[in-house]
Amino acid sequence: SQTIHQWPATLVQPVGSPLSLECTVEGTSNPNLYWYRQAAGRGLQLLFYSVGIGQISSEVPQNLSASRPQDRQFILSSKKLLLSDSGFYLCAGQDSLYGYTFGSGTRLTVV
Amino acid sequence: KNQVEQSPQSLIILEGKNCTLQCNYTVSPFSNLRWYKQDTGRGPVSLTIMTFSENTKSNGRYTATLDADTKQSSLHITASQLSDSASYICVVSLSSDFGQGT
Repeated sequence: SQTIHQWPATLVQPVGSPLSLECTVEGTSNPNLYWYRQAAGRGLQLLFYSVGIGQISSEVPQNLSASRPQDRQFILSSKKLLLSDSGFYLCAGQDSLYGYTFGSGTRLTVV
Repeated sequence: KNQVEQSPQSLIILEGKNCTLQCNYTVSPFSNLRWYKQDTGRGPVSLTIMTFSENTKSNGRYTATLDADTKQSSLHITASQLSDSASYICVVSLSSDFGQGT
């Protein structure tokens, strides 16, 4: 089965500091990969998705960027965090066999 | 416009009672529909998946139904427990169309 590894579980960062969240996939090849952000009590907002190595599509303009250096690795980054970047970030993988599988999430607090 | 609409937005029920969550969609073409459960501060976990030809699928006390003609799905929770307190998300096909959750 497909497994999504995401870390860290929680992160507190000062405003203006850089960010790097990593997500890796196990159990499948060439999955579509996604980064979502979820505000408290709200639905999932799609930030980025990738259909292959080096292929990134952005859904909303923001202070974040994403990269996919390897087939099973998806990275969410920021050069300078803003207070508004605080939230719950979820990585998800999708393939034709397993559908969507989510990571356990990262709670980011920018202070 | 979101192609997947869930209702109600929030629900409070007494422990032991049954409840039903609704999901209406306009996504086309349709491949399958999944219900996920998301505990607070955790990633969503798949409960059920139904293809076009399936009308109902059960997973313990969770039963999902699908009417592909009317493009509606429901998730029924029987004899609710405290551990059922969570967000429930409907996802249609292999798109990124998510309901906003209940």
